[in-house]
Parts: sequence; C-alpha cells; structure tokens
Amino acid sequence: QSALTQPASVSGSPGQSITISCTGISSDVGGYNYVSWYQQHPDKAPKLMIYDVSNRPSGVSNRFSGSKSGNTASLTISGLQAEDEADYYCSSYTSSSTLYVFGTGTKVTVL
Amino acid sequence: EVQLVESGGGLVQSGGSLRLSCAASGFTFSSSWMHWVRQVPGQGLVWVSRVNSDGSTTNYADSVRGRFTISRDNAKNTLYLQMNSLRVEDTAVYYCARDTPYSGSYHVDYWGQGTLVTVSS
Repeated sequence: QSALTQPASVSGSPGQSITISCTGISSDVGGYNYVSWYQQHPDKAPKLMIYDVSNRPSGVSNRFSGSKSGNTASLTISGLQAEDEADYYCSSYTSSSTLYVFGTGTKVTVL
Repeated sequence: EVQLVESGGGLVQSGGSLRLSCAASGFTFSSSWMHWVRQVPGQGLVWVSRVNSDGSTTNYADSVRGRFTISRDNAKNTLYLQMNSLRVEDTAVYYCARDTPYSGSYHVDYWGQGTLVTVSS
C-alpha cells in the first residue's frame, strides 16, 4: 500500500488561502469518505483537523475546510495565520490489508 | 481531557525485542478501539496496528505482521505493543492513538506524545 501523494510544500502570506491536495486511488481516497487531515507542529503529536472528508472536530477553527473529488482530497486553509505553519498529513481508510494509509506530508510555510 | 502517555521506547539491537506501553485516561478506555502509528524522524506517519475494544480483533500493517503484537489491559487502561525481531527500519517515534468514538467513521482523533525506538545494527 503506497502512501497518499501530497505536495512537499505549500506557502502563502498571512490572510491568504492555500489548498493542499492528497491523491490516492480507488481503494482508498476514491472509495471511501473517510479522509482525515492532521496538523503537526515540530516535535509535537499530530492534531486532528478534519475527518470524514469535510467535518471539523469541536475546537478546530472554521478557517480549515476539506473536500474530495474522485481520488483526490483537499484541505483548504483560509485567512492564513502564523500559527498555521506546520506539517499537514492526510489519511484514508483503505480496503487493503493495511487498514489506514497516510499522505507523504506537506510543509506549510507562512511567508 | 483525553490523555495518552507512551513509555518503553529506547535503544535496542537488531533482532531484539521491546514492549511499548500507553497509559490512557480521560475517556472510557474499555470502549475505545486503539492504534499504534509510527514516524521516522523527519518523515511521514505510518499506520502500524489496531485493536478493538476488548482485544479480540487485531490488525497489522504488512511490514510488522508476524513480528509485532498489539494488546490491551482494560483493567489497567493500558495499551501495549510487543515488538520482536526488530529491524533497523523499525526505528521511529511510536504514537498511541485513539480511534474515533463515532460509529461508521474511520480515523484516529487523539494522539499521545510518542516514544522513540531506535534499533541499531
């Protein structure tokens, strides 16, 4: 089971919007609405930001939104803030023997 | 507040064994499915294993199946990962994580801080 494909880095200025893509295949991203997104600051544990493609857990800013089309899911951060600078990982349930697959990770830089 | 605290990491030689523990609090551990996820420093997250709430059903990544065993003690609110036949490529930070309590969904919602396992050759 290969990792989901994400861009290595995305950057934006404060206040701008950025979008991170997450590309899989029909047996993971394309086959299920079980895509989640995690934020990870350096030397910290990951934090759930989005689950089931577009749902936000309680306490997560509404500046974070998720969507999916075919085999590609996306995370959009609007009104970019300095605190959003972190690594972001997507994840999907998969029908393979490896139940969950993560993305390659995207480093978000706030210019 | 959900808390997950891993322990048991350290330096071990290739071929050796190690047991990780994860102490859980702030939620009903005995009702929760649990996971282990690992991350090579500077690299991405990789799912390792999952156990259901009573420990009767387990799942593993292909890379660890047959070498690692996930288990739990609900009386002690503790999750375990027994790692045998360790390889250099098992070197990583190992995270304990809680599966979502929402039925019909598949994701982990809370993570511990991780414990570093280093396998030397």
